Amino acid sequence: AQSVTQLGSHVSVSEGALVLLRCNYSSSVPPYLFWYVQYPNQGLQLLLKYTTGATLVKGINGFEAEFKKSETSFHLTKPSAHMSDAAEYFCAVSDGDSSYKLIFGSGTRLLVRP
Amino acid sequence: NAGVTQTPKFQVLKTGQSMTLQCAQDMNHNSMYWYRQDPGMGLRLIYYSASEGTTDKGEVPNGYNVSRLNKREFSLRLESAAPSQTSVYFCASKRGQGNEKLFFGSGTQLSVL
Repeated sequence: AQSVTQLGSHVSVSEGALVLLRCNYSSSVPPYLFWYVQYPNQGLQLLLKYTTGATLVKGINGFEAEFKKSETSFHLTKPSAHMSDAAEYFCAVSDGDSSYKLIFGSGTRLLVRP
Repeated sequence: NAGVTQTPKFQVLKTGQSMTLQCAQDMNHNSMYWYRQDPGMGLRLIYYSASEGTTDKGEVPNGYNVSRLNKREFSLRLESAAPSQTSVYFCASKRGQGNEKLFFGSGTQLSVL
């Protein structure tokens, strides 16, 4: 069965600093990978997704993630953090074309210091 | 542009009481989902419905039942609430399978005393 591990329940960065949120997955078939963001008191919103093709995926709000099959990783990055990026971020995996289930990681809360 | 609508937004129950969480989507999606969110555990799938007329268990189905009433509506029922079911519940939907985007409701905060 597929699974997702997010390293670090909390990450704190200064405004303007690099954001790096880590995600490793386990899947028996080529996965579809996602990053979702949850702002306070809201539901989750899709940031970006990897399906097939280019391994560097660009999303909304300046975020991007790189699929590395050899490392089974899909880390999320942003070159320069903004105060509005403070939120909880979830990595998720779907087991291929025929899967209806999306399995989420435990989440990483990003804190941005002024 | 309602998207996914959940009701109620907040609920307090006593142990042993029952209740139904309602979810409706207006995007003509085939697949619908119920997740619970607990601190440090992320979102865990309770039940899902791949299409109208079908439902399947997720990771944590015990203590819950679901009904896919029609294509639009997918309800979650707690027959006898327990304190361990205190959580935030999210309904979500997507058009089909695999790589498609999930659309989430704004959540129901449930406390069981």
